[in-house]
Amino acid sequence: NAGVTQTPKFQVLKTGQSMTLQCAQDMNHEYMSWYRQDPGMGLRLIHYSVGAGITDQGEVPNGYNVSRSTTEDFPLRLLSAAPSQTSVYFCASSPGTAPHEQYFGPGTRLTVT
Amino acid sequence: EDQVTQSPEALRLQEGESSSLNCSYTVSGLRGLFWYRQDPGKGPEFLFTLYSAGEEKEKERLKATLTKKESFLHITAPKPEDSATYLCAVQASGGYNKLIFGAGTRLAVHP
Repeated sequence: NAGVTQTPKFQVLKTGQSMTLQCAQDMNHEYMSWYRQDPGMGLRLIHYSVGAGITDQGEVPNGYNVSRSTTEDFPLRLLSAAPSQTSVYFCASSPGTAPHEQYFGPGTRLTVT
Repeated sequence: EDQVTQSPEALRLQEGESSSLNCSYTVSGLRGLFWYRQDPGKGPEFLFTLYSAGEEKEKERLKATLTKKESFLHITAPKPEDSATYLCAVQASGGYNKLIFGAGTRLAVHP
């Protein structure tokens, strides 16, 4: 099992550009989520999904879109990148919505200039 | 408002010098408290889940404990390979597995 994979590992964008961060898991997990991690702050939830076709907003959803067409994939779209979106982004998955541990991907470091 | 606070922000230990990391939390109904380890440039790696006050879990040199207001991660006789950032997170009632993370404690263990 590859677990949770994320691409790209690094990305530099100019303000106003759009892009999609990819996330895939091969563990047949129902629950997937996106977090951002900024220095001195905890991981903050952006969006999450409890199953294919179902998504919801987390703590900091503005400027980001998600969709979940399959169990395996959960892409995160930046519509119009802003410098405030410079961060490290992590995708995670878990078997369900009960207090299961979450499995994290390796992260994408995004810089917006 | 649900909140998680970790202390200290950074901790430097000599190899073999035991210590504890603290995670204080305020949540409207705790469903679970999680400890993760994060190495530089990598994603968090799961360590423990605690569900109720009084519960303890151990793994090698690490032991996690839980009270109604805080959790401790005890590190006994640490080695340099224990150097990492340790993250605490809580899941509140009705949280759909949404985790609220603390900012972490950066641990450095020197030979």
